[in-house]
Amino acid sequence: EVQLVQSGAEVKKLGESLRISCQGSGYSFTSYWITWVRQMPGKGLEWMGKIDPSDSSTNYSPSFQGQVTFSTDKSTATAYLHWSSLKASDTAIYYCARPDCSGDGCKLLPHWGQGTLVTVSS
Amino acid sequence: DIQMTQSPSALSASVGDRVTITCRASQGISHWLAWFQQKPGKAPKLLIQQASILESGVPSRFSGSGSGAEFSLIISSLQPDDFATYYCQQYFDNFPTFGGGTKVEI
Repeated sequence: EVQLVQSGAEVKKLGESLRISCQGSGYSFTSYWITWVRQMPGKGLEWMGKIDPSDSSTNYSPSFQGQVTFSTDKSTATAYLHWSSLKASDTAIYYCARPDCSGDGCKLLPHWGQGTLVTVSS
Repeated sequence: DIQMTQSPSALSASVGDRVTITCRASQGISHWLAWFQQKPGKAPKLLIQQASILESGVPSRFSGSGSGAEFSLIISSLQPDDFATYYCQQYFDNFPTFGGGTKVEI
C-alpha cells in the first residue's frame, strides 16, 4: 500500500527557517515524482511544484519559485520542503502527493500525505 | 497559468438531492480534469480522473462529464457522507491548477 507520512505541525516565528518532511513507503520512492500542495487557512488548493527523487530535478510553480526549496533523501525515502526565512503568509497546511504513474508527464495525484500545518507568528 | 473557475462556491442541499458543480477552464484542456473531495482536517481524495472516469471504490452516485473547457461533477442522490468541499483540477498543463472549491452544506 502506498503511504506518504508527513512530519508534525510546526509553530515558527517570522524569519526562521523550516524544513518539513514527507516519507514514502510501499513503493519504489525514486520512481515517482513528489508534488507539494499548499492550502492556506480556509482557502483552496495550490500546486507548488514537484521533485523527481531519482535525480532531484524540480519544477516549481512560478508563484513559488524562489520562495521554497524541494529536496529528497533517497536513503530514507523522504522528500522535504524548505523555507529559509518564513513569512506570515506561509501559514498553511502543506500536503505532499504522489502521481499515479512514473515519469515527468504523470500529473494525476491519487496518493496524498496527511498534511503538515505550519503556523508562522510574530 | 490555466485558470479554473468553479461554480457555485457553496451550495445548500438535502439528503437525496441531485447536485451539479461546474468547472470552467480558461483554455481547452481536453479531458485532463480531475475532481477531488475534501473533508475538514483531511487530505483531498481523488474521485474522478480524465473528466469522467470514476476512481475505484467511489460510489456510482458520483459522475463527471465534459471536455475542452467545460466540466461538471454530478452527485445523483446526495448522501450524508457527501457533505464536503469539492475541487476540480486541470492536469493538462505543466503547472496543474485547482478550482476555488465548492462547499456542499446541509
